[in-house]
Amino acid sequence: NAGVTQTPKFRILKIGQSMTLQCAQDMNHNYMYWYRQDPGMGLKLIYYSVGAGITDKGEVPNGYNVSRSTTEDFPLRLELAAPSQTSVYFCASSYSRLNTEAFFGQGTRLTVV
Amino acid sequence: AQTVTQSQPEMSVQEAETVTLSCTYDTSESNYYLFWYKQPPSRQMILVIRQEAYKQQNATENRFSVNFQKAAKSFSLKISDSQLGDTAMYFCAFIGGNGLTFGKGTHLIIQP
Repeated sequence: NAGVTQTPKFRILKIGQSMTLQCAQDMNHNYMYWYRQDPGMGLKLIYYSVGAGITDKGEVPNGYNVSRSTTEDFPLRLELAAPSQTSVYFCASSYSRLNTEAFFGQGTRLTVV
Repeated sequence: AQTVTQSQPEMSVQEAETVTLSCTYDTSESNYYLFWYKQPPSRQMILVIRQEAYKQQNATENRFSVNFQKAAKSFSLKISDSQLGDTAMYFCAFIGGNGLTFGKGTHLIIQP
């Protein structure tokens, strides 16, 4: 059982470059989330999705885009990377909004130089 | 908006001692869940314990228990007989209408 799979695990980007962080889950979960974790700041919600075709902004959506064309996949797109986007990114999924835990991927450490 | 506050950035205790991590939250919702997640140096997020807001009984998982005070919007985590492997970041989290919201975390260090 793979759970939540994030790729890549590490990436270095130059300022102004773009990239897509991939996230896939094989648990048929409806809810998927993208978080960023900065040192000493906990996890902040970037975007979330309650099902295929539905996405919504979280606390810190600027500079990011998402799509949810299938239940399994929830990619996060960074356009015009900036040093402020240097962080660790986590994808998570859960079956429903309330009564189940969220399962997390291993994280992607992104550095923008 | 829902917020989660962890007021202890770092705590350190001796092995085998009991330690309590604090968490308060703010919400206008009546139906929600609360969680404690552990993040060891491997970065993996591991669920420690969960509490349903409509249940008055405090959740317990082996050495981990919570003190849930709904009126005070408080959700503390007690770790009994602490072990070296408990060293990690601990995040309190709230799930409600706006998804899963985390506190800033408490870095717990268990000293041998």
